[in-house]
Amino acid sequence: GEDVEQSLFLSVREGDSSVINCTYTDSSSTYLYWYKQEPGAGLQLLTYIFSNMDMKQDQRLTVLLNKKDKHLSLRIADTQTGDSAIYFCAESMAGGYNKLIFGAGTRLAVHP
Amino acid sequence: EAGVTQFPSHSVIEKGQTVTLRCDPISGHDNLYWYRRVMGKEIKFLLHFVKESKQDESGMPNNRFLAERTGGTYSTLKVQPAELEDSGVYFCASSHQTNRAGATQYFGPGTRLTVL
Repeated sequence: GEDVEQSLFLSVREGDSSVINCTYTDSSSTYLYWYKQEPGAGLQLLTYIFSNMDMKQDQRLTVLLNKKDKHLSLRIADTQTGDSAIYFCAESMAGGYNKLIFGAGTRLAVHP
Repeated sequence: EAGVTQFPSHSVIEKGQTVTLRCDPISGHDNLYWYRRVMGKEIKFLLHFVKESKQDESGMPNNRFLAERTGGTYSTLKVQPAELEDSGVYFCASSHQTNRAGATQYFGPGTRLTVL
């Protein structure tokens, strides 16, 4: 079945690293995504990783994928107040890149 | 280049009324998607258009929901009659290609629908 789960809330101090975790159930996932939603805005694609990769780094963002455990994480280094948002994990399935399956989102709060 | 736009941004209606949501995708994007987030839960897929054709409508909740994309440009999502459980945020997304690895779906800001 298709199910993506995330913890709902994370609070970090400015300058620390944030780690947002996600688990998924469908082993046929091809791509896994992280989207960011700021207040009043749409979903912004932050990064994605192909299912045959273990890690992807993009500036302050590091994505780790453990396909055996079906676990995906997003690490934000040197977290800033502008990183405060809701972060959604999503997967797409083999055989097409159409439907995205999302988690419920993790609200990241960054405090001084 | 303009992004995906949605109208209205908010809509408050009474149970039993009709509401029509509109989405204008990024110009030139053949693929248009509708998603919905209810009560702070996960964002759920509703349907996918390729140009004016419905490619996948497996996520449409019931026959009170009707999506159209005449001419393959903008799309409308009509809810008739609306029920309380239809409240949520309706997102539209568009993409240029679906058969390319990691094809990006660009999302609009969403329409927040409240059914009283």
